[in-house]
Amino acid sequence: DTGVSQDPRHKITKRGQNVTFRCDPISEHNRLYWYRQTLGQGPEFLTYFQNEAQLEKSRLLSDRFSAERPKGSFSTLEIQRTEQGDSAMYLCASSLVRTGANYGYTFGSGTRLTVV
Amino acid sequence: RKEVEQDPGPFNVPEGATVAFNCTYSNSASQSFFWYRQDCRKEPKLLMSVYSSGNEDGRFTAQLNRASQYISLLIRDSKLSDSATYLCVVNDYKLSFGAGTTVTVRA
Repeated sequence: DTGVSQDPRHKITKRGQNVTFRCDPISEHNRLYWYRQTLGQGPEFLTYFQNEAQLEKSRLLSDRFSAERPKGSFSTLEIQRTEQGDSAMYLCASSLVRTGANYGYTFGSGTRLTVV
Repeated sequence: RKEVEQDPGPFNVPEGATVAFNCTYSNSASQSFFWYRQDCRKEPKLLMSVYSSGNEDGRFTAQLNRASQYISLLIRDSKLSDSATYLCVVNDYKLSFGAGTTVTVRA
């Protein structure tokens, strides 16, 4: 296992199209997080999963955004009817949490979305 | 108020200089803090954890002041390779990032 993988690395789409990103976390990690980062800002939390359960969604995650982690392994983030404001880097991270202790986060290389 | 507010910089320093910058956090119950480094168009990478007693990792020193809810990072003997954006991070079951401080080290 070489870390957190994200696919695709880059995506250019036309406004109004739907896009889906995939994240494969480190296999033994039970938590998976999605972040969005725009130019000049730090990553902003979108949502996270504990195994297959989605435990929190940020208010940034509008109705056009949906995330799943169906078998507690890989996750997908879908954006419907993309808008130019959705252009950003979408980062996935995973971590192992046991008895309340978090054993460290690992980030993927991100998916850079450009909406034209 | 943002969860994490960070000195944005930019800091433009010569090689060998010392540079220091800060951030503040809003949740007084927060217990776990990090500094991450992010290079242009790359993912953030953990630089170091921040402990109450202060800690060093080579040329990097992190300090935490819980009473003032204030975290600092100091870089001694700056190298060209230290040029990056430094992200102050609070860990409350998820990571909350500041906007980043840009440091440029010039020859």
